[in-house]
Amino acid sequence: AQSVSQHNHHVILSEAASLELGCNYSYGGTVNLFWYVQYPGQHLQLLLKYFSGDPLVKGIKGFEAEFIKSKFSFNLRKPSVQWSDTAEYFCAATNFGNEKLTFGTGTRLTIIP
Amino acid sequence: EPEVTQTPSHQVTQMGQEVILRCVPISNHLYFYWYRQILGQKVEFLVSFYNNEISEKSEIFDDQFSVERPDGSNFTLKIRSTKLEDSAMYFCASSDTRNGEKLFFGSGTQLSVL
Repeated sequence: AQSVSQHNHHVILSEAASLELGCNYSYGGTVNLFWYVQYPGQHLQLLLKYFSGDPLVKGIKGFEAEFIKSKFSFNLRKPSVQWSDTAEYFCAATNFGNEKLTFGTGTRLTIIP
Repeated sequence: EPEVTQTPSHQVTQMGQEVILRCVPISNHLYFYWYRQILGQKVEFLVSFYNNEISEKSEIFDDQFSVERPDGSNFTLKIRSTKLEDSAMYFCASSDTRNGEKLFFGSGTQLSVL
């Protein structure tokens, strides 16, 4: 069955620390991968996506993610976090040509000033 | 930036009552979706809608659920007889492509069934 796993449920970091949030997927065929962010009280926003090409994708707000096919992973990274990055982060996937997103359980990120 | 609008932001209802959650997708979008998130759980796909009909639905989307695009701008989710376990945040989303590349989410309606 198709699934997306996020093993970090809650991550607490100090400002300026580096961030890496794990995401693993279990999908057959060509997979499209996404990271969404949900700030407190706001809607889900797309941070970045991977469809094809360069496996290192850059998104908004200084985030990037690397698609490693051999590890079925799409980890989210940011070299130096800010207090404003406090939010819930969701990894999601879909098969190529399919519209239905499968989400991970989310990782709550808390940045301490 | 265009946005998907959902109303109300919070809906409280009694078990067994009907509720209608409303969404105004982005105007030139053709693909519409409902997702939900039970507190502490994953965001789950409910249903996709295109060309005035359901294109895909999940196991969650049983006979108690229905969707409609009544007037060309609104997109509604109806739950006929709510159950306690329907309490969740319901997200509407729309896209101009089928592959999720340009999917925009609304801010959600928190449904509380008492």
